[in-house]
Amino acid sequence: EVQLVESGGGLVKSGGSLRLSCAASGFSFSDAWMNWVRQAPGKGLEWVGQIKRKSDGEATEYAAPVKGRFTISRDDSENTLNLQMNSLKIEDTAVYYCVAEYWGIIGWGQGTLVTVSS
Amino acid sequence: DIVMTQSPDSLAVSLGERATINCRSSQIALYSSNNKICLAWYQQKPGQPPKVLINWTSTRESGVPDRFSGSGSGTDFTLTISSLQAEDVAVYYCQQCYSTPYSFGQGTKLEIK
Repeated sequence: EVQLVESGGGLVKSGGSLRLSCAASGFSFSDAWMNWVRQAPGKGLEWVGQIKRKSDGEATEYAAPVKGRFTISRDDSENTLNLQMNSLKIEDTAVYYCVAEYWGIIGWGQGTLVTVSS
Repeated sequence: DIVMTQSPDSLAVSLGERATINCRSSQIALYSSNNKICLAWYQQKPGQPPKVLINWTSTRESGVPDRFSGSGSGTDFTLTISSLQAEDVAVYYCQQCYSTPYSFGQGTKLEIK
C-alpha cells in the first residue's frame, strides 16, 4: 500500500522560508516521479511542481507562481521528497500534498498545512 | 498550458440514481508510449486528501467500487456513478497528467437531492 507522510508545515511570516518533507513507503520510490500539489483553504487543487526519477535526470518542473522561490529535491536512499520554500507569500497559504506518480497517479499524502502571515 | 474545465460546478442527485460529471481538456493529452490519455479522477471528502478513483481515463483503481466508471476520448471525459450512495457525497476533480504544468478541473460538488 502506498503511504506518503508529509511533515514540516507550520506558521511562517511573509518573506520567510519553510522546508517540507514527505516520507514514502509501499512502492518503489526511486522509480516514481514525485509531485507537490497544494490546496488553499476552501479552494481547488493546484499543481506546484515535479521531480522525475534519477534515470530521467531528476529533472524538475515548477508552476509559474512558485518558480524561482520553491525547490524540489529527493533522497532515494531515504525514500524522502523535499520542498524548500523561500520568499513565502500570503498566497502560498495552503495544505501541501505529496503525490506519487508511476504510470499514473498512485497515491496522495494526508497533507501538511502551511500558513503564511503578514 | 492545458486547461481543464469541469461541468457542472455542482450537482444534486437522488440516492440510487446516476451521477455524471464532465471534464474537457483544452488539448489532447495522448501518451505516445501506450496510446492512452493521461486523465485521472479524484474524490475529495471534507478534511481528507483526494482519493484516486480512475487513472488513464477509464482504469478504476484497486478498491474503488464498480459503480464508478470513467470514459472519454480526445478532449472530452466523463466520470459516472451508476447508482449514487450516501458516501459518494464529495467534491470530484479531473486532472491531466500528460504535460506540466499538470492541471486540474475546478471541481464538481456532488450532493444528495
